Amino acid sequence: DTEVTQTPKHLVMGMTNKKSLKCEQHMGHRAMYWYKQKAKKPPELMFVYSYEKLSINESVPSRFSPECPNSSLLNLHLHALQPEDSALYLCASSPPGQETQYFGPGTRLLVL
Amino acid sequence: AQSVTQLGSHVSVSEGALVLLRCNYSSSVPPYLFWYVQYPNQGLQLLLKYTTGATLVKGINGFEAEFKKSETSFHLTKPSAHMSDAAEYFCAVSVGTGNQFYFGTGTSLTVIP
Repeated sequence: DTEVTQTPKHLVMGMTNKKSLKCEQHMGHRAMYWYKQKAKKPPELMFVYSYEKLSINESVPSRFSPECPNSSLLNLHLHALQPEDSALYLCASSPPGQETQYFGPGTRLLVL
Repeated sequence: AQSVTQLGSHVSVSEGALVLLRCNYSSSVPPYLFWYVQYPNQGLQLLLKYTTGATLVKGINGFEAEFKKSETSFHLTKPSAHMSDAAEYFCAVSVGTGNQFYFGTGTSLTVIP
């Protein structure tokens, strides 16, 4: 298994909804990342988990709440989002001791 | 501080022509350098990377890049463009595991038949 998977592929939610994005990898990677990407822009880092501990939070609003239940799984809990949060949310992971990040296919989020 | 500059947000080439996408970086420490490709509505796919060793690195789909420390550049090339190469290309620099990638603003490659 050499890939990062993300579910769901698409998500539409209202501003009062609570939803979660899921990211999974079974490659033994110990660093996992959440990115937000707007159209025609580079990915913007949101969070980094290293060995299941949050190591970087790029001043992300509290309506985004990350969780790393185990070394293979990364969640992003969403609550009270705004329309401007509509974007492609990408998950990535890195092998131990390496810098290369491997990306999942992303979740396309639309907030109405 | 680290930063990445990609000259040319849009590049058009004819099918069969040389592809050259430019990337310059600034880094206070020896960098790790990457090129990723993104097709519409997909994630980023690693094309190639430079960490240490040989400065000319070969990647997937016939792409290669050369790390030139004196020019702080890591330009991406492909001798002959194919229609399937049309995509968004991102150059990125990293300074260590579990740390932030610094992405360039991206270059959209169009291949003209």
